[in-house]
Amino acid sequence: DVVLTQTPPTLSATIGQSVSISCRSSQSLLHSNGNTYLHWLLQRPGQSPQLLIYLVSRLESGVPNRFSGSGSGTDFTLKISGVEAEDLGVYYCVQGTHAPYTFGAGTKLELK
Amino acid sequence: EVQLVESGGGLVQPGSSLKLSCVASGFTFSSYNMHWIRQAPKKGLEWIALIYYDSSNKYYADSVKGRFTISRDNSKNTLYLEMNSLRSEDTAMYYCAGPYFDYWGQGVMVTVSS
Repeated sequence: DVVLTQTPPTLSATIGQSVSISCRSSQSLLHSNGNTYLHWLLQRPGQSPQLLIYLVSRLESGVPNRFSGSGSGTDFTLKISGVEAEDLGVYYCVQGTHAPYTFGAGTKLELK
Repeated sequence: EVQLVESGGGLVQPGSSLKLSCVASGFTFSSYNMHWIRQAPKKGLEWIALIYYDSSNKYYADSVKGRFTISRDNSKNTLYLEMNSLRSEDTAMYYCAGPYFDYWGQGVMVTVSS
């Protein structure tokens, strides 16, 4: 099974600070159809997860453009350019290239 | 507006069975693959099953393979998860989700305990 390793596990940030989260895969997430099914989610406390970024770098509708995704193959990054209070919660990467699909362990973003 | 509403959870004894439902609205359910994901208390997300839009393919996590069955009824816009031989480690919030994890329900709690 594909293992997604997220770092760091915890991230402390001040409002306005830019931060990045890494997601590394144990194997390439490039599908034979040319797509890379690596997505980023945010779960706020007490809420269901919500999609932020899909297919590595595509911003989900309604998501602020301070969120961006990049990467290819096995290395992926989520960047938040100017953290806001509403961004606090746990961030997960998830891969949908190889069944069984898998989630990273999560990165908790908290206020410093 | 897209909505996914799960139901069917509860407190059950180890070894018993339970069937979860997820009713979809606001999008063309019959055109989309659908997932079940769970989250044990204070833990991360665990993907557990996927069903193609036409039920032609189904995939499971090793942790539930042979015990859980995903199915759907496109005429009722409903996704199901039949869970057998439940164990204490199946205790979790269960979510249904859309193909790119773009739509999520509010979740339904399943507690397996004697």
